[in-house]
Amino acid sequence: EVQLVDSGGGLVQPGRSLRLSCTGSGFTFGDYPMSWFRQAPGKGLEWVGFIRTKTYRGTTEYAASVKGRFSISRDDSKSIAYLQMNSLKTDDTGFYYCSRADTTTLPFDYWGQGTLVTVSS
Amino acid sequence: DIQMTQSPSSLSAFVGDRVTITCQASQDISNFLHWYQQKPGKAPKLLIYNANNLQTGAPSRFSGRGSGTDFTFTISGLQPEDIATYYCQQYDYPPWTFGQGTRVEIK
Repeated sequence: EVQLVDSGGGLVQPGRSLRLSCTGSGFTFGDYPMSWFRQAPGKGLEWVGFIRTKTYRGTTEYAASVKGRFSISRDDSKSIAYLQMNSLKTDDTGFYYCSRADTTTLPFDYWGQGTLVTVSS
Repeated sequence: DIQMTQSPSSLSAFVGDRVTITCQASQDISNFLHWYQQKPGKAPKLLIYNANNLQTGAPSRFSGRGSGTDFTFTISGLQPEDIATYYCQQYDYPPWTFGQGTRVEIK
């Protein structure tokens, strides 16, 4: 059974950093690009960024709202994708979800359960 | 960036009613469109992929149509468990963008 588990959320002060993890199981993690999304409280869904597979050098793309502050990496030996969030702002508050992102087959078919990030002083 | 305009923002219908949601892309996205259901406190759940394909395990009362810029999502026979917010999403090219969402309620 395919499963994605998001973790690492919490309360953090503005300007500080936080690293989220997305742990996959039930599939060959290294074969899939992985994406992060977020959702502010009571708001809609927003794409954050994604990372390609090692076949494509693990290159990344980011939304304009987080570019230069957030970075995505992956450790295929552990089946984990990371979202490193630096210089956090109060607007970054929300639930963060990871998802498989293979646009050549069926992207976003499985999602993590989400992890809550609260940026507040 | 591709803008996705979804309407209505909310609707209320009776159990058994046919419910339709529309989504318009700001440019041609072929059929690279998903429809999701999201219940409070939960992750989005994929219902329709590639505009008109029912995801495995999704009830057959859910359907999607369209290509290019205009898409529709239909619930044929609304059920109490369908109370949720529904989103369209284009995945033609990053940034992958969503519609604003449609909250569906029971009268």
